[in-house]
Amino acid sequence: EVQLVESGGGLVQPGGSLRLSCAASKFTFSTYSMNWVRQAPGKGLEWVSYISSGSSTIYYADSVRGRFTISRDNAKNSLYLQMNSLRAEDTAVYYCARGMVNYPPNAFDIWGQGTMVTVSS
Amino acid sequence: QSALTQPASVSGSPGQSITISCTGTSSDVGGYNYVSWYQQHPGKAPKLMIYDVSNRPSGVSNRFSGSKSGNTASLTISGLQAEDEADYYCSSYTSSNTVVFGGGTKLTVL
Repeated sequence: EVQLVESGGGLVQPGGSLRLSCAASKFTFSTYSMNWVRQAPGKGLEWVSYISSGSSTIYYADSVRGRFTISRDNAKNSLYLQMNSLRAEDTAVYYCARGMVNYPPNAFDIWGQGTMVTVSS
Repeated sequence: QSALTQPASVSGSPGQSITISCTGTSSDVGGYNYVSWYQQHPGKAPKLMIYDVSNRPSGVSNRFSGSKSGNTASLTISGLQAEDEADYYCSSYTSSNTVVFGGGTKLTVL
């Protein structure tokens, strides 16, 4: 079964850092774009970042640009999100999601189960 | 980038049809045929129901259909069933090379 599994979430203090990972299986990871989407408790979905299949194109939401870094390792079938200077408003479930096409960032056809990030002192 | 505008809630009885609207601007919904719709049940990950305005992924019931007119996209669910009760989100690619979601619509099947 095609699958995405996130890990790395947890409790972090404001100003701290966290690195999320997303492990892909049962599909050719290197041919798909990938995204991070988050959902604050009781709130709607918010797109966070996009990376093309070969990492040549990367986009960020204004709310995280300059603080978050998306990356991928196609040899390890893995997607990452390095989150620095975390704020309370970054508290959310973070999902990794596969893009149906490599470009542009658009429809997300496979989603992980999500990993919870809580930013609090 | 402001969120796309969706009604907070809609409802319908089993067997009926409902439509959820999603209003953006010419920089997102109106400018591209890159509108998607997602279904999310409580505590679950979103599921893609419609992509590129009106296309259904394999395995999605043909009771779900999408359309667009100008800056407004719509999701129609016909023959409502109890399992359709969920939150629904639209999304669109934008001229800023980002993706914007709608605020979400809670569908209640009466």
